[in-house]
Amino acid sequence: DTGVSQNPRHKITKRGQNVTFRCDPISEHNRLYWYRQTLGQGPEFLTYFQNEAQLEKSRLLSDRFSAERPKGSFSTLEIQRTEQGDSAMYLCASSQPSDTQYFGPGTRLTVL
Amino acid sequence: AQSVAQPEDQVNVAEGNPLTVKCTYSVSGNPYLFWYVQYPNRGLQFLLKYITGDNLVKGSYGFEAEFNKSQTSFHLKKPSALVSDSALYFCAVRGRSNFNKFYFGSGTKLNVKP
Repeated sequence: DTGVSQNPRHKITKRGQNVTFRCDPISEHNRLYWYRQTLGQGPEFLTYFQNEAQLEKSRLLSDRFSAERPKGSFSTLEIQRTEQGDSAMYLCASSQPSDTQYFGPGTRLTVL
Repeated sequence: AQSVAQPEDQVNVAEGNPLTVKCTYSVSGNPYLFWYVQYPNRGLQFLLKYITGDNLVKGSYGFEAEFNKSQTSFHLKKPSALVSDSALYFCAVRGRSNFNKFYFGSGTKLNVKP
């Protein structure tokens, strides 16, 4: 499968714990994006990378959230001190510059 | 600012009948518009896009969309619905000043009944 992959697919954690998600983009895509989707809503932009550079961060991305793409390939999204309001589907997408974004299957986070 | 609106939370249609899922947009200048489909517990799958050219855009799985500049709409259509088309559909517009940011509608749930 040469599409975007995300791991884990599901994560259940207790409030206050840290969690980390991984995204592997389509190999020739140099743009990588993170979105958050809550129930009944469309995806909301969080941040994006061009190669290893993080070029924009949404105001939704509080100080507890950090994303990295150290070698311009895979990316990680870490949430520290999780809160119940962080429960959502976290979607990763990748693209060529100014082109269609292709999405992974998502990681569903449940914070108890 | 860029935004899209999907005025219907849910659309019900009988199998074999034509379907329409509505989307209106608000963007300065020429819009870049997209449709995605989401099945339960899955990510979004790209269906089609409008960048420029013909107002009728054909996409995956027999779907098409009609761009109407005067009505600022980009409705998704299919001549004959299948039960397997039942899913959540999202319209999106690409940011004008930031090509890398997509703005999504709230989604429309399509129910196709046998």
